[in-house]
Amino acid sequence: GESVGLHLPTLSVQEGDNSIINCAYSNSASDYFIWYKQESGKGPQFIIDIRSNMDKRQGQRVTVLLNKTVKHLSLQIAATQPGDSAVYFCAENYDGNMLTFGGGTRLMVKP
Amino acid sequence: KAGVTQTPRYLIKTRGQQVTLSCSPISGHRSVSWYQQTPGQGLQFLFEYFSETQRNKGNFPGRFSGRQFSNSRSEMNVSTLELGDSALYLCASSLGDRDTEAFFGQGTRLTVV
Repeated sequence: GESVGLHLPTLSVQEGDNSIINCAYSNSASDYFIWYKQESGKGPQFIIDIRSNMDKRQGQRVTVLLNKTVKHLSLQIAATQPGDSAVYFCAENYDGNMLTFGGGTRLMVKP
Repeated sequence: KAGVTQTPRYLIKTRGQQVTLSCSPISGHRSVSWYQQTPGQGLQFLFEYFSETQRNKGNFPGRFSGRQFSNSRSEMNVSTLELGDSALYLCASSLGDRDTEAFFGQGTRLTVV
């Protein structure tokens, strides 16, 4: 099957700056997308999701953008904090409840 | 509300042995999915159980199996362990409807020696 991919394996930002993590997906049938945050030694933590009938969704300090034309997903984190340092995964769902994950992007926040 | 609970947290097994991992989903959740996470392959879907039935299956050999009980708790079993089975095994629970939030447990770290 097709898989979700990420452009940048590591992103380093200054505390207080905004972060943008990108993700490319290849399955045009995907209709549900999730961003997860995984800290060392822990399981993935749900951040935000978006369905294909939307192009933007906002949460607390996070925004997910979906561009179906170019099959692109992004996660924006406002005012990045040290506690945001983690690996971020995007995942797509195109077949039941089977999530296909991207390779992950490590976000490092410099104080 | 308690989260997803996986036991044990850590396991060390020898090649050729078999292992059983357990997952207790969030109360009220009927779907349990299992994923394998390795540095080389990332997060890969193993299978999903819903109402005691396997509903979806990933591309893993038959040595990997699972089941779900009437209380939605799930177990996965790996037989004839290989070194390459060393990984973090994650369980995710959800209500079970399509396109609903899936919440992960902390995982079981399996090391095969």
